[in-house]
Amino acid sequence: GAVVSQHPSRVICKSGTSVKIECRSLDFQATTMFWYRQFPKQSLMLMATSNEGSKATYEQGVEKDKFLINHASLTLSTLTVTSAHPEDSSFYICSGGRGSDTQYFGPGTRLTVL
Amino acid sequence: KQEVTQIPAALSVPEGENLVLNCSFTDSAIYNLQWFRQDPGKGLTSLLLIQSSQREQTSGRLNASLDKSSGRSTLYIAASQPGDSATYLCAVLIQGAQKLVFGQGTRLTINP
Repeated sequence: GAVVSQHPSRVICKSGTSVKIECRSLDFQATTMFWYRQFPKQSLMLMATSNEGSKATYEQGVEKDKFLINHASLTLSTLTVTSAHPEDSSFYICSGGRGSDTQYFGPGTRLTVL
Repeated sequence: KQEVTQIPAALSVPEGENLVLNCSFTDSAIYNLQWFRQDPGKGLTSLLLIQSSQREQTSGRLNASLDKSSGRSTLYIAASQPGDSATYLCAVLIQGAQKLVFGQGTRLTINP
């Protein structure tokens, strides 16, 4: 149990366009969802935390107007990268939590901005 | 601010050897510590989770220890196999914040 999916797994877009990434908890209700970014050969950095039905809390240095997060239901959160630029190219991973001590991670989305 | 450090950054050993990966954290106010495996271009697979009140956890050939007072954890892999090749990440869950802070990872290569 506790499976999290992400869609798409890979996306290539042109600079200036917006990209939406979906994160779904398939067999549990994720009261909290987390979005991470991972640059090549680096670790995961938390971007934001979102609770269902409320605004996301962004980590220091993460532009909330650029990385729009919506957590409209207990099984779906979306991350929209607006006006993407090549420096936004990264591996984006989401996770869902249903309690205070465990997060279940999605398989990640590779974003390449040309 | 919590910082997590993993040593070594990379490790290459022959198949069959036992090995230890190290993780240290600066703030002992953690809820738990978790070890993950990440294959290239893939997401994370949780290996072991140690609650702050626990000293160790075991799963098959893996054993993880936690010394919260000294801010250290180790992941012991017994009888390593080529399939163990991956990046291993440790992460601590900050008390009260539900935030996971990750180390940089150790890239492990097991040579046949």
